[in-house]
Order: sequence, then C-alpha cells, then structure tokens
Amino acid sequence: KQEVTQIPAALSVPEGENLVLNCSFTDSAIYNLQWFRQDPGKGLTSLLLIQSSQREQTSGRLNASLDKSSGRSTLYIAASQPGDSATYLCAVGGNTPLVFGKGTRLSVIA
Amino acid sequence: KAGVTQTPRYLIKTRGQQVTLSCSPISGHRSVSWYQQTPGQGLQFLFEYFSETQRNKGNFPGRFSGRQFSNSRSEMNVSTLELGDSALYLCASSLESHVYNEQFFGPGTRLTVL
Repeated sequence: KQEVTQIPAALSVPEGENLVLNCSFTDSAIYNLQWFRQDPGKGLTSLLLIQSSQREQTSGRLNASLDKSSGRSTLYIAASQPGDSATYLCAVGGNTPLVFGKGTRLSVIA
Repeated sequence: KAGVTQTPRYLIKTRGQQVTLSCSPISGHRSVSWYQQTPGQGLQFLFEYFSETQRNKGNFPGRFSGRQFSNSRSEMNVSTLELGDSALYLCASSLESHVYNEQFFGPGTRLTVL
C-alpha cells in the first residue's frame, strides 16, 4: 500500500529565502507525482506534474524533482514571497488512485 | 477555459439526512474523481468515474455513492449522514484516466453535519 510522507509538517521562513519541501513515498512503481497548493478552506491548485520518466519540472520560481529509485521528490521555491504562504501537498499516481501526503504548511514572513 | 465547478459551496445538514453534491469538470475532461478532506485523515479518495462508469472506489461505506452523466458532470450522494461526514469534498477532473494525466481540482463543497 502506497504511503506518502511530507516533512516538515510546517515551515516558517523570512521573505526572500529559497526553500525546499520534501515528499517521500514507499512504492516506487508510480506513474507520476503531482504537487499542489491549497489555501485555507479552498480547493487544490496544481503546481507541477512530473511523469515517472522525468527527473524534474520547472514553472517560474518553482522546481520539482523526482527520484523514483529512492522514493523522493522535492519542491524548490526560489525567492519566497508572502503570497506563497499556503499548504503544499504532493500526490503520487500509480495503478491506484492518487495518494496524498498530509502536506507542509508554509508561512512566508514579510 | 472554465475550471472545475462544484455546487453548492457550503451545506449544513443534520444527522440522518442525505445530501447530493455536484461537480462539473473542465470541458473535454472525461474523468471525474471525488475526495474527502478532513483535518485528521487528510485527503482520501472516494471514487473515480470515467465515461459514466465507476472505475475505482476508495475505502468508504456504501452510504457514499456517485454517478456520472453523459456530459461528464458528476454527482455524489451521501445517505444517512453522520457527524464524521463533516468535511471538505473535492472533485477533480482529468482529460483521460487520472492515472496518467494531471488532475485539476474544484473549490470544494464544505459539508457540516450537526
């Protein structure tokens, strides 16, 4: 059974700092991994999708990497801004429905 | 292009009642998945519909059911509501199978059971 863990559960950083969010999964037989952002009480916004054959994806200040063999993915956020404050979730897609981590709650302090 | 829409956005019900939630996927998307999000359990998969057929089902009791119409719109129904059903219910759509494709989520329906 696939299990997804995100560490840390919460993170507070000053504005402008570069930061890394971590996601690990137990079963490396995945098809893709997706990173989402969720603002309080809202739905999920898709940030990046990495297919299993890819090593990384970039969108603006965001870069996500995937290492299937070690069961890890990282989301790198460059030059963080207060507007980046949200919960970040990773989800793993395999031959079963998406399995989500519990998320990392990020606060960027101005 | 319009995103995934869910109605209603908020619902308050009492124990024992039933409720129906609606989801309209992005135009052209054929797969609709439903998730329940609670503070304790996080996001949990309920079911996926593709071309009006349920393709996957999560580990939820039979009180939770769903369906998909020919225009890909989907509804989920919860009967005999319990306090523990209070949650944010999220719907996601994808072009084809959710397995290979990016999923796009709606804003959710906040259900409160009193």
